[in-house]
Amino acid sequence: DTAVSQTPKYLVTQMGNDKSIKCEQNLGHDTMYWYKQDSKKFLKIMFSYNNKELIINETVPNRFSPKSPDKAHLNLHINSLELGDSAVYFCASSTGWGNEKLFFGSGTQLSVL
Amino acid sequence: AQTVTQSQPEMSVQEAETVTLSCTYDTSESDYYLFWYKQPPSRQMILVIRQEAYKQQNATENRFSVNFQKAAKSFSLKISDSQLGDAAMYFCAYRSARKSSGDKLTFGTGTRLAVRP
Repeated sequence: DTAVSQTPKYLVTQMGNDKSIKCEQNLGHDTMYWYKQDSKKFLKIMFSYNNKELIINETVPNRFSPKSPDKAHLNLHINSLELGDSAVYFCASSTGWGNEKLFFGSGTQLSVL
Repeated sequence: AQTVTQSQPEMSVQEAETVTLSCTYDTSESDYYLFWYKQPPSRQMILVIRQEAYKQQNATENRFSVNFQKAAKSFSLKISDSQLGDAAMYFCAYRSARKSSGDKLTFGTGTRLAVRP
């Protein structure tokens, strides 16, 4: 059983389209995240949710809208895709604070043409 | 805001040898957590080792150990007896212990490690 699963693994789309990435964790964690890894491999947090409540919104354009229907799911919807949105998007979860490690999904490589 | 710096974009090591990856960070906080994550070509992010700032003892995990110098804000990773499977991107990361800072990892820019057979 995959602990954090995100779909799709690859997403190729045209500029201007709207797309969604889904994420589910079966670890019973309270906190979920979205991270973006750019072409230079730099990883930066976008959002974090704790028990379906938005905790962090790290200056992400409002074209990106996370949705957490329950604490096991955190989906990412992107409107009006731009070339600069091309990246690998990682979902992750953890028990919350302290030294607890993050469990990452395998990433979604988004290519905007 | 905290920043994490990895000054070595690429490193190379001979199989079975030892290599040290550097990481420095900037923070005004006294309590925090530090991590090293590995990202092989499969893209999966894997925790290698973690350190609590309040602990003076350096963390170790089998062939992996850290040299944590709190005053110098340095957190280097030493890999002993390097193996071909250690080839990957390595990311240093910082996490505040203050809940008001939000629960997030701040990553460095990564070091790509190549292992020569």
